[in-house]
Amino acid sequence: NAGVMQNPRHLVRRRGQEARLRCSPMKGHSHVYWYRQLPEEGLKFMVYLQKENIIDESGMPKERFSAEFPKEGPSILRIQQVVRGDSAAYFCASSPGGRTGELFFGEGSRLTVL
Amino acid sequence: EDQVTQSPEALRLQEGESSSLNCSYTVSGLRGLFWYRQDPGKGPEFLFTLYSAGEEKEKERLKATLTKKESFLHITAPKPEDSATYLCAAFSGTYKYIFGTGTRLKVLA
Repeated sequence: NAGVMQNPRHLVRRRGQEARLRCSPMKGHSHVYWYRQLPEEGLKFMVYLQKENIIDESGMPKERFSAEFPKEGPSILRIQQVVRGDSAAYFCASSPGGRTGELFFGEGSRLTVL
Repeated sequence: EDQVTQSPEALRLQEGESSSLNCSYTVSGLRGLFWYRQDPGKGPEFLFTLYSAGEEKEKERLKATLTKKESFLHITAPKPEDSATYLCAAFSGTYKYIFGTGTRLKVLA
């Protein structure tokens, strides 16, 4: 299956711990997006990355949240010192880029903060 | 400001009762309009891309159409398995995808 792969699918953390969410884009895709979704709500843009570069992180809180997409390996969304309000589904999507690039999503990582 | 609005927010249909979902957009320089289906606990599943006004795409009981201001997702003779949230997104050709908040569709047997 050459789809967007996210792990872990479910993650439970206690307040103050760190959460690391990983995303492997589709083969041949060099553009990665991270979105957050709360129950019964829409997708909220967090960050857009290309290989080794953060292009737009305007949707990501400046504190505690960081993202990377290294030359080798998956993209990682890192949340430090998690709080209960960070509980949500985090979706990764990838695109081949270009002027009409279609966006494909993974199954998401569901973070629960106790 | 670029914006995508979907209506209705929720829709209940009887099995076989055809209807349409609306996606209105105000996006400068639209390059593509995407439709997705999202089931509970799953990621959005890609359905269609529409690139220019007048274009239509079909897949089973679904047909997507595009005008200069809106897109419609027509559902013909829906079945209970069509129950899901349907999302649309406008792509302006740089890297920004503007998502609507979705229409929650429930098809009753």
